[in-house]
Formats: sequence, C-alpha cells, structure tokens
Amino acid sequence: EPEVTQTPSHQVTQMGQEVILRCVPISNHLYFYWYRQILGQKVEFLVSFYNNEISEKSEIFDDQFSVERPDGSNFTLKIRSTKLEDSAMYFCASSGGLVTTDTQYFGPGTRLTVL
Amino acid sequence: AQSVTQPDIHITVSEGASLELRCNYSYGATPYLFWYVQSPGQGLQLLLKYFSGDTLVQGIKGFEAEFKRSQSSFNLRKPSVHWSDAAEYFCAVGARTNAGKSTFGDGTTLTVKP
Repeated sequence: EPEVTQTPSHQVTQMGQEVILRCVPISNHLYFYWYRQILGQKVEFLVSFYNNEISEKSEIFDDQFSVERPDGSNFTLKIRSTKLEDSAMYFCASSGGLVTTDTQYFGPGTRLTVL
Repeated sequence: AQSVTQPDIHITVSEGASLELRCNYSYGATPYLFWYVQSPGQGLQLLLKYFSGDTLVQGIKGFEAEFKRSQSSFNLRKPSVHWSDAAEYFCAVGARTNAGKSTFGDGTTLTVKP
C-alpha cells in the first residue's frame, strides 16, 4: 500500500539554525500538508499546498516557515531560524489522487529538537 | 470555524471490555470526520472516516464509529479491547475541500489493564 515517507526521523539543531524537513507524498496525490504536534499536545495544522501554491495556512505558519515542491516527488518544510518552541513532531500528509477521496494520509513524522 | 472536543483525556479499560471514546465537533456544514490512532513515538494511523451515507462506519482493528448529526458527535467504539489497543486516539474534522485543513481534538489516551 502506498505511504507517505518523511526524512529524517529525528533532527537536532541549534537555535537560530535553518532546517529542512523532507516528505515524499503518495505518488498520485495532488494536495500536500504539514502539521505539527508539540509534545503532549494536539496535532495542529500548519499549511496546505496545491498546484505549487499555498492554499491555506494557519497563524503558526509565519514568515519563518516556507514550503516547496522542488521536484516531482518531494515536499519540503523549511524553518529559517529555529526557536526553542519549534521543537515538535512534524507530520506531512497528502490527499487527492486521480479519484478524489479527501482523506489525508500522514507520514510517520520528523521529531525536531531545537537546543 | 471548525473545532473538535474530546471530553475524556484519559480512559482506562480492562482487556476484553468494551470501549467508547467520545468526540463532538463543530462545523458549519456536513463534516468529514476521522479517527486516528497514535502509538508512542509513532505517526498517525487512520482508523476510519465518515464522509456521507451510512452513519455507522467500520474501520480497521475492529473499530467502528457512529455519526450522529443531532448530537454533533462521532464516537468511536470497540466491543472488546485488546492490550495492543493502548495508544492515543484523535478525532478530527476535515474541510470538504481537498485544500482544506483537518482540525484535531486534544486526544484521548487509552490504557488497557490486563
């Protein structure tokens, strides 16, 4: 069964550094998402992306964040200057194949630790 | 704005007992509703979903959920819990567009006693 993959599984970085989290969505999906989950809290929507544009973003997704689909398979989340409060699990999701289902399938997540 | 409430932060049941996890939602139209399960340190696995039609939906691992529009609820049930069901369970409501976000509840942690 196709699945969303994410790399790395764990990223440790220093405060102020840039990080790029990578995702490979399910191959025929057209819609892509990033969510985050701070330890012990709920999963929060960050951004949705379609046709090489941001479709919707939350108030969390400020100018420090950006997303990109650099090629036909990857979807990335960049945090330009990490803060301690960016430490969280980041989930990528994709939806919308050739037959639209609207179900978002989630990857296993990248745990980001900012020191 | 869409929102989800899971009233129970933590539930403990004995193995073999029945389970019901509560979920109430707020959404301006007919919602898409989901239940996900998350084991410690793991990602989110979709248990089941409701889009339309039959209000009782079956999912994986023996779970089912019932959509009740009049109560704005989408409770998850399982007739007999197994120790491996211990995990955190999230209810989510999704916008009825592919570019829309899903909004998650706070989650319910399930502990299973032997």
